[in-house]
Amino acid sequence: AQKITQTQPGMFVQEKEAVTLDCTYDTSDQSYGLFWYKQPSSGEMIFLIYQGSYDEQNATEGRYSLNFQKARKSANLVISASQLGDSAMYFCAMREGGYGGSQGNLIFGKGTKLSVKP
Amino acid sequence: GAGVSQTPSNKVTEKGKYVELRCDPISGHTALYWYRQSLGQGPEFLIYFQGTGAADDSGLPNDRFFAVRPEGSVSTLKIQRTERGDSAVYLCASSFSRGPQETQYFGPGTRLLVL
Repeated sequence: AQKITQTQPGMFVQEKEAVTLDCTYDTSDQSYGLFWYKQPSSGEMIFLIYQGSYDEQNATEGRYSLNFQKARKSANLVISASQLGDSAMYFCAMREGGYGGSQGNLIFGKGTKLSVKP
Repeated sequence: GAGVSQTPSNKVTEKGKYVELRCDPISGHTALYWYRQSLGQGPEFLIYFQGTGAADDSGLPNDRFFAVRPEGSVSTLKIQRTERGDSAVYLCASSFSRGPQETQYFGPGTRLLVL
């Protein structure tokens, strides 16, 4: 069974508008971490934001915020005020084990391709 | 400072040949990961090093794949008797701390094409 599910293969958003990228996860661990990475066409994976399973508040990093709904096992990424440079692949990932997912490798979803229209 | 570097950036080889992919992590990073990304997929874990030792190699697909990190810095991923299905982008990542928010910093990847 897939541990990370990203149901949107592609998304379009108008420049300066907000967009939500969906991510659901599956784990039986009580302690885990959730991550979002951006992969531009150059191929490098760029870390965006982290949410620990024990964190009560949603994580925010500049224009990025993570809408964490633990009971629904969802960790959606919200990008506010989209910019042309946000066009890229976005991957949701999870790490199980350790406190807040401090141990182990990342498990990635299949990604969502975001295109920002001028 | 310098990020994670990987060489070569592209590698074309013939089926059955042996290849080596190199990863140079960020200086001081103790943890090093290898992932493989096939077209249209997310990265898949291969192996993780903490220092010189392989802490978890459960992602290696078979015994044709092997990785080393002899001095706890540079790592080499070795693939014997390459097959066409090995064609993918091989990503390396490194990290410093083992805390909850351990951030893995990725290199640009090596694109391997097996003909």
